[in-house]
Amino acid sequence: DADVTQTPRNRITKTGKRIMLECSQTKGHDRMYWYRQDPGLGLRLIYYSFDVKDINKGEISDGYSVSRQAQAKFSLSLESAIPNQTALYFCATSARKGGLADNNEQFFGPGTRLTVL
Amino acid sequence: AQSVTQLGSHVSVSEGALVLLRCNYSSSVPPYLFWYVQYPNQGLQLLLKYTSAATLVKGINGFEAEFKKSETSFHLTKPSAHMSDAAEYFCAVSAATAGKSTFGDGTTLTVKP
Repeated sequence: DADVTQTPRNRITKTGKRIMLECSQTKGHDRMYWYRQDPGLGLRLIYYSFDVKDINKGEISDGYSVSRQAQAKFSLSLESAIPNQTALYFCATSARKGGLADNNEQFFGPGTRLTVL
Repeated sequence: AQSVTQLGSHVSVSEGALVLLRCNYSSSVPPYLFWYVQYPNQGLQLLLKYTSAATLVKGINGFEAEFKKSETSFHLTKPSAHMSDAAEYFCAVSAATAGKSTFGDGTTLTVKP
């Protein structure tokens, strides 16, 4: 089945460490997204990419960076992790059907639970 | 600009009772609206979506939602709750060509036997 996968699924790290979370998809979608989920705060968009050369900041990009290595791969990095980056991180994809036909339905990976001590 | 408000962070119903989860949206352009469900230790999956066709939308697992423009609402309902419906539910809004969605804070549904 075409899918969205994330690695690792769980990670515990220490303050100041550099961390990379990886996302791969076999759906053939152009668009990819990184969100973080915190209890009571829903999903907040960190970065999104409409294609390999089009990367955009979301509402909470400070402290994060991304790389779109290929259409199918989108990585999220924490250059120097801090405890308030402890959260559940989701990658998602959506298809660009073209112009006004796009409805932005998103397909999510299983999530990465990150703990920063 | 777009935003979503989910009324009630926790909803508890008895098995067999009506489920009603409330969502109000704000959008400067005609919106696309979504309900996603998240089961424990899983990612989100789509329950249903409104994309400017019929205002009453039917989704998976017996859920449905009605788009009411005058009330800027998109409430999720299910006539009879099942234990397996216990999960967190997210409402989301998107504008055509925007390429991204804004999510509500989520509502946790508990189903009591």
